[in-house]
Amino acid sequence: DTGVSQDPRHKITKRGQNVTFRCDPISEHNRLYWYRQTLGQGPEFLTYFQNEAQLEKSRLLSDRFSAERPKGSFSTLEIQRTEQGDSAMYLCASSLAGNTNEQYFGPGTRLTVT
Amino acid sequence: KNQVEQSPQSLIILEGKNCTLQCNYTVSPFSNLRWYKQDTGRGPVSLTIMTFSENTKSNGRYTATLDADTKQSSLHITASQLSDSASYICVVSFRTSGTYKYIFGTGTRLKVLA
Repeated sequence: DTGVSQDPRHKITKRGQNVTFRCDPISEHNRLYWYRQTLGQGPEFLTYFQNEAQLEKSRLLSDRFSAERPKGSFSTLEIQRTEQGDSAMYLCASSLAGNTNEQYFGPGTRLTVT
Repeated sequence: KNQVEQSPQSLIILEGKNCTLQCNYTVSPFSNLRWYKQDTGRGPVSLTIMTFSENTKSNGRYTATLDADTKQSSLHITASQLSDSASYICVVSFRTSGTYKYIFGTGTRLKVLA
């Protein structure tokens, strides 16, 4: 499978715990995006990388959130001290640089904070 | 404020019928508009992309239109099938500070009944 993959697909955690999600983009794609989506809403932009550089972070990305893409390939999104409001689907997408280049989305990681 | 609004919020139709989904935007300066299909629990999949100069774009039974003057787009689904049941998300791209940004609508949830 040469699409975008995310791991895990589902994560249930207790409030206050840390969680880390992984995204493997399409191999030749140099851009990688993270989005958060809650039920009945469209995806909300969190951050994006071009190669290993994190070029933009949304105001939604509080200090408890951190993302990395150390070698310009896979990326991780970590949430520290999770809160119930963090429960959502976390989507990763990748694309080639350029505005009309399509973003290919992964299947998402559904996080439930109890 | 850059916004994308979709209507209706949800729609139920019978298999074989046609339907049209609407997307109005206030994004400026406009770069392109995409329609995505998102199955429940999955990541969005691109259906069409249109730039400023394009009025219509088709992808099988899906036809998107764009009126850049009125800032409106529609997605027409012909001869609906049960597998068309999904959320349809309109995404508008604009350029700012040398980078492109994407504004997602909240989606229209379509249910096709046998």
